[in-house]
Amino acid sequence: DAGVIQSPRHEVTEMGQEVTLRCKPISGHNSLFWYRQTMMRGLELLIYFNNNVPIDDSGMPEDRFSAKMPNASFSTLKIQPSEPRDSAVYFCASTAGTPDTQYFGPGTRLTVL
Amino acid sequence: GDSVTQMEGPVTLSEEAFLTINCTYTATGYPSLFWYVQYPGEGLQLLLKATKADDKGSNKGFEATYRKETTSFHLEKGSVQVSDSAVYFCALILGGSNYKLTFGKGTLLTVNP
Repeated sequence: DAGVIQSPRHEVTEMGQEVTLRCKPISGHNSLFWYRQTMMRGLELLIYFNNNVPIDDSGMPEDRFSAKMPNASFSTLKIQPSEPRDSAVYFCASTAGTPDTQYFGPGTRLTVL
Repeated sequence: GDSVTQMEGPVTLSEEAFLTINCTYTATGYPSLFWYVQYPGEGLQLLLKATKADDKGSNKGFEATYRKETTSFHLEKGSVQVSDSAVYFCALILGGSNYKLTFGKGTLLTVNP
């Protein structure tokens, strides 16, 4: 299996621009998670989907952030408009059944200038 | 709320040295405990886990024992290798249907030849 796939791996954009991060979970996995990693706050769960339905979005920082999962094999995390404080590494993870053993993608390093 | 505290890094060791990374937790219930590892440029990978008190998780020469009395889950390895250089994260998740992994800040380990 190819593992969790994320794209792009690196994104540099200017403040105010829209950013879309993409994730393809492992085939057969029914749960998907988006995390943000920063030096100051460590790893934070942004949103959790189960069977394509958002279950918990309490970690989404504000209305500028939105996430979708239109089908079992694809999810997006969108930031509009982006701000410099959004600079971080964003990870997608997926799992089947047991939520504790999550498989992480390689991450997208976002830099907002 | 639930939280994980792990020793500040970075930790620098010589090859074949003994490793201990301390981790303590605070949780309202009876969590499962985990160590995840993040190699440079990659996403997190589950290293080991323990789901109840006195359980010992082990993998790739690493071990950690769930100590309820001291609310700890320290990671140990008897003889580290250069290839063990990575960031190590202690984490917890409450049992049942709870899906939310709570991570420590991470500890950077560098092993020199």
